[in-house]
Amino acid sequence: DAKTTQPTSMDCAEGRAANLPCNHSTISGNEYVYWYRQIHSQGPQYIIHGLKNNETNEMASLIITEDRKSSTLILPHATLRDTAVYYCIVQNRDDKIIFGKGTRLHILP
Amino acid sequence: DAMVIQNPRYQVTQFGKPVTLSCSQTLNHNVMYWYQQKSSQAPKLLFHYYDKDFNNEADTPDNFQSRRPNTSFCFLDIRSPGLGDAAMYLCATRDGGGPHRVEAFFGQGTRLTVV
Repeated sequence: DAKTTQPTSMDCAEGRAANLPCNHSTISGNEYVYWYRQIHSQGPQYIIHGLKNNETNEMASLIITEDRKSSTLILPHATLRDTAVYYCIVQNRDDKIIFGKGTRLHILP
Repeated sequence: DAMVIQNPRYQVTQFGKPVTLSCSQTLNHNVMYWYQQKSSQAPKLLFHYYDKDFNNEADTPDNFQSRRPNTSFCFLDIRSPGLGDAAMYLCATRDGGGPHRVEAFFGQGTRLTVV
């Protein structure tokens, strides 16, 4: 079973920062937080991952709380092409990747 | 430059007629996954391989089988497709077992229609 809870859907205005929350209150010490997104009719695409520290790459930033029980994915300047379902996944040392229900993000023009 | 390639993108099969979906990768990853995704739902893990070790999810129906003849290729066999098996089937790969946690790469999926 997925170990994460995300809002079902969110809206964000184009050009603004999109902040997508994820709760993972049962996360254990060796489990990483991953974010993927899935644009309609395509395969999921990796965005970013982290363990404890905040992470940033060319796509997004990941903020993980100090107790690691929640995280936020930040898309700094959302565009219409960022409309997708965003999945937050907690993964431990085994190789399974289990998807939760994700957040459907709508970017509004 | 597609790295995980699924063929075909669209497959139509008859009710009860065996069908095989294929996945190939150019990444030399040792872990390969098959997912089933129905409309408006999240991808559901069917099984995965770690090298040649096959790991079946407990709730994957017996109707679904898989083969991995070598590192690059993996097949999903549906022995007797039912109408409920109509879905998008996603293949993914990952470089597992290393010291660093790495991401998975997904193919574009095969959309299966059962008639």
